[in-house]
Amino acid sequence: QVQLVQSGAEVKKPGSSVKVSCKASGGTFSTYTFSWVRQAPGQGLEWMGGIIPILGTTNYAQKVQGRVTITADESTSTAYMELNSLRSEDTAVYYCARGDSNDYFLFNYWGQGTLVTVSS
Amino acid sequence: EIVMTQSPATLSVSPGERATLSCRASQSVTNNLAWYQQKPGQAPRLLIYGASARAADIPARFSGSGSGTEFTLTISSLQSEDFAVYYCQQYNNWPGTFGQGTKVEIK
Repeated sequence: QVQLVQSGAEVKKPGSSVKVSCKASGGTFSTYTFSWVRQAPGQGLEWMGGIIPILGTTNYAQKVQGRVTITADESTSTAYMELNSLRSEDTAVYYCARGDSNDYFLFNYWGQGTLVTVSS
Repeated sequence: EIVMTQSPATLSVSPGERATLSCRASQSVTNNLAWYQQKPGQAPRLLIYGASARAADIPARFSGSGSGTEFTLTISSLQSEDFAVYYCQQYNNWPGTFGQGTKVEIK
């Protein structure tokens, strides 16, 4: 049974950083892709970036390029998303989602979401 | 990037009735189109991929159709648990992009 379990809610000050984790179980971690998708309050879904652990390659959306870093630790089957220089508009629920090598953006498994609140 | 446009924004339907949701892509995505269901406070759930294939454990009342730029999600007889927001997503081109969602509410 595949599960993606994310770290808990965070409250951050503007200008600071946040790092969210996503621990995967079920399946061979490195053969899948892991993306981060965020959802601002009352809004739709926005892909931020992703990683292919077996290749170590990352891709980022232009909107957050330069502020986001996605990493993966194969030894613990955990993906991470770090977002820097936080702004109020970064307040959102952040989801990790698993794709596969054939369809990077087809997400058949999702984490439960992590609420990140940016407020002074 | 490809823009996905969903209509209508809100659909009011009575339980037991059929719901038809539309999704249009700004350019062809062949059949690399998925539909997700999201309930309040929950993560999205994959319903349909490849425009018409149901994901695991998805009831047969959900069906998808279309190719190229025009797609439809049909819920044949709405159950109480189907009232939610539905998103289409293209995964043909980088980056995968989502529509803005259609909320299916109780009439």
